[in-house]
Amino acid sequence: DSGVTQTPKHLITATGQRVTLRCSPRSGDLSVYWYQQSLDQGLQFLIQYYNGEERAKGNILERFSAQQFPDLHSELNLSSLELGDSALYFCASSVGDGGANEQFFGPGTRLTVL
Amino acid sequence: EDKVVQSPLSLVVHEGDTVTLNCSYEVTNFRSLLWYKQEKKAPTFLFMLTSSGIEKKSGRLSSILDKKELFSILNITATQTGDSAIYLCAKFYSGGSNYKLTFGKGTLLTVNP
Repeated sequence: DSGVTQTPKHLITATGQRVTLRCSPRSGDLSVYWYQQSLDQGLQFLIQYYNGEERAKGNILERFSAQQFPDLHSELNLSSLELGDSALYFCASSVGDGGANEQFFGPGTRLTVL
Repeated sequence: EDKVVQSPLSLVVHEGDTVTLNCSYEVTNFRSLLWYKQEKKAPTFLFMLTSSGIEKKSGRLSSILDKKELFSILNITATQTGDSAIYLCAKFYSGGSNYKLTFGKGTLLTVNP
């Protein structure tokens, strides 16, 4: 147990819909990272927040957005869902701001878009 | 004019998790949006929303309406196994001199202990 929690565990939804994925970082960690893992693309970094502010952006689509709240939990919003968005979405957290800090991964949310 | 779409279709969480259920609708003579919980019997009323941006709260459940973006969300915090149910949203709107209630297909929530 990494101490990072993600909800829900599974999501099944239809194309065109929107979903919200939640992540609570380990106690004391200020950074939250979002990743997408699909069979064909592998693990891809989406976005990072540090202490409430967006810090780094990876391959995040415009249809996706994220935020980090004052209590440091984070949400990833996925809208206008497409079949290709079906994937495992991981959240990770770390103490510091950069990629040099060890990231602790949550158990992931499996999204299935029908 | 009758369309009410809910998402996700289904989700599975553990007790204590927080969930967000979505309901979008098409606007035609919109009057209000309602949320219901259905277990093994008739739906039971949760909320009615008429004004945008004002959160309605009842215990661990809360809901809010966005009339600009035409959707509502239902949040359930600290979920319990007893929250397992189908959650339905419905648009209440006027059509001429009549009023109509159109339901979405629901979101099946399963809360595991």
